[in-house]
Amino acid sequence: QSPLTQPASVSGSPGQSITISCTGTSSDIGTNNYVSWFQQHPGTAPKLIIYDVLSRPSGVSNRFSGSKSGNTASLTISGLQAEDDGDYYCTSYTTTTNVLFGGGTKLTVL
Amino acid sequence: EVQLVEFGGGLVQPDRSLRLSCAASGFTFDNYAMHWVRQAPGKGLEWVSGISSNADAVAYAASVKGRFTISRDNAKKSLYLQMDSLRAEDTALYYCTKDKFAGIHSALDVWGLGTPVTVSS
Repeated sequence: QSPLTQPASVSGSPGQSITISCTGTSSDIGTNNYVSWFQQHPGTAPKLIIYDVLSRPSGVSNRFSGSKSGNTASLTISGLQAEDDGDYYCTSYTTTTNVLFGGGTKLTVL
Repeated sequence: EVQLVEFGGGLVQPDRSLRLSCAASGFTFDNYAMHWVRQAPGKGLEWVSGISSNADAVAYAASVKGRFTISRDNAKKSLYLQMDSLRAEDTALYYCTKDKFAGIHSALDVWGLGTPVTVSS
């Protein structure tokens, strides 16, 4: 299966809000609510920030929120901060019992 | 402290084998599914394989199916990845990750630091 489709890059200024999209198919995002989002800073392991489309793990800022419509999931980061700079990946469980990652989006905080 | 530590990476020749291990601590290992995720140098994340909490379900990415085998030993709180017929494109940092759920899901909430695998002659 092809990776989920994410924009290669997004950017925003401190205090602004940005949204990263993650587009799949009716075999993955469109068929269940098992969508997760991860943040990765250079040289470090990824960190789970959203799971089950819109749930936040304990300790994750409420500036991060998730949603889904049809075959597309979205991650919104409000009140951008310098520390949000990094790479973001979406994943989805699929009907073939696999897990698919998106290609990743580089967020630049200007 | 919840922790995952990977072992077994290294330099291996094409078509040879390598076995990765992951030692878990700080949580009830046999309650959760576990996964291997890899990241090639300068590239994105790629899910490799997952196994349910009691090992009754396993799954593989198409790119490794038939060559890699995931397994777990709940008594030893350990996860394994047997990698056979290795190819240059398998070169990556391999992460051991914990799922939030007992079944194969996509909510990977704990990650190790990774172990590097380089496939080259």
